[in-house]
This record gives sequence, C-alpha cells and structure tokens, in this order.
Amino acid sequence: QITLKESGPTLVKPTQTLTLTCTVSGFSLSTGGVGVGWIRQPPGKALEWLALIYWNDDKRYSPSLKGRVAITKDTSKDQVVLTLTNMDPADTATYYCAHRGWDIAARPGPFDVWGQGTMVTVSS
Amino acid sequence: IVTTQSPLSLPVTPGEPASISCRSSQSLLHSNGYNYLDWYLQKPGKSPQLLIYLASRRASGVPDRFSGSGSGTDFTLKISRVEAEDVGIYYCMQALQDPLAFGGGTKVEIK
Repeated sequence: QITLKESGPTLVKPTQTLTLTCTVSGFSLSTGGVGVGWIRQPPGKALEWLALIYWNDDKRYSPSLKGRVAITKDTSKDQVVLTLTNMDPADTATYYCAHRGWDIAARPGPFDVWGQGTMVTVSS
Repeated sequence: IVTTQSPLSLPVTPGEPASISCRSSQSLLHSNGYNYLDWYLQKPGKSPQLLIYLASRRASGVPDRFSGSGSGTDFTLKISRVEAEDVGIYYCMQALQDPLAFGGGTKVEIK
C-alpha cells in the first residue's frame, strides 16, 4: 500500500525558507517511472502544482515560483524534500505531496495517491 | 497550457445526473493517441483523490457512475446519478506537459 506523509513547520516568518519533507512508503523512489510531486492549496483556493522529481533525479518546477523552489530526494530515507525560499504571506497554503506512477503508455501518469497535507502559515 | 472549468458551482439533486466541463488552451492529445487530462475530487476537509485519468479511464475503486469523455481541448466529467457522498470540489488537470495545470475547480453541492 502506497502512502505519503508531509511534515514540516506550521508557521514561518516572511523572507524565511520553508523546508517540507514527504516520507513515502509502499514504493521505492528509485523504481523506474516513479515520481513524487508537490501541490499546494491556499485557503479556499484551487490546487497549484509546484514541483516534481522522478526516479532518475529529473526535476521539474513551476515557472510561477521563479527560482524560489527546489526539490530533492533521499532514496535511502524514502524522503522527498521541498524547499521554498523568501516566503511570503501569499505562500500560506496546505502543501501536499503525491505519487506519480507510469501510465499505460509508458509516460508519467496521474497523481494517484496523495498525502494528508500540511498547513503552512506565513506570518510575522 | 491553461485549463478552464465550468460551472464554478453546481447544485445537484441526489439521483439526478451532473456534468462538469473542462477546456484547455491547447490540445491535450499526445502522439500516442491518449488525451492527458485527469479529474480529481476533493471532498470536504480531505486530500484530493484521483477519479479519471487519460480523459476517460476510471481510477481503481472509482464507482462506474463517474465517466470522463472528450478529446483535444474539450472534456467532460459526468456523474450518472449523484449521491450525497459525491459532494466536494472537482478539478481537472492537464498532464500533457510541464507545467502541470489544474483548473479552478467546480464545487458540487446537494440542493
């Protein structure tokens, strides 16, 4: 059974750097085709994709974050880490990590399993 | 690629059908013949869950009252007979290319 769980601070100050960890189980981050993505949702607003990392360490980022975001993985710890610099109150949101497998056409598939999410508030 | 959903809000009567539209600014049809459009449901207070992928394929465990259709830039999610447990916000997401993009969401609520 695939599970993902997000962890990190619930409150950060403006200009600080946010570091969130996604701990996965039920699959290996080194298995061919596997990806883990980060998606966030400001209160009362829509989902926004942030970043993705694949089994081969290929990384993809949302251009809307303009270089503030980085994603890494530690296969030995079954963890994916999201870093977001220069935090602003507009970054207040619930942050989710999600599993992305391989689809029937041997391409990245949908986000088929999601974590419970972690709420991050940016305030001084 | 931008995805646009309609309507924003959809009041429904249990037992009646419901339909949500998703339009993309570019074709989501890949050269492999599949349309890269997914549908997710976020029930109140919960994480999103996958309903439909590749425009029309139901995810594991999804009831068959949910169906997806469409190709190119126009897609539809249909619920044949709405049940009370179907309330929540439905999102489409284009998965053809980065950056991945979710629609603005459609809130389904019981009348």
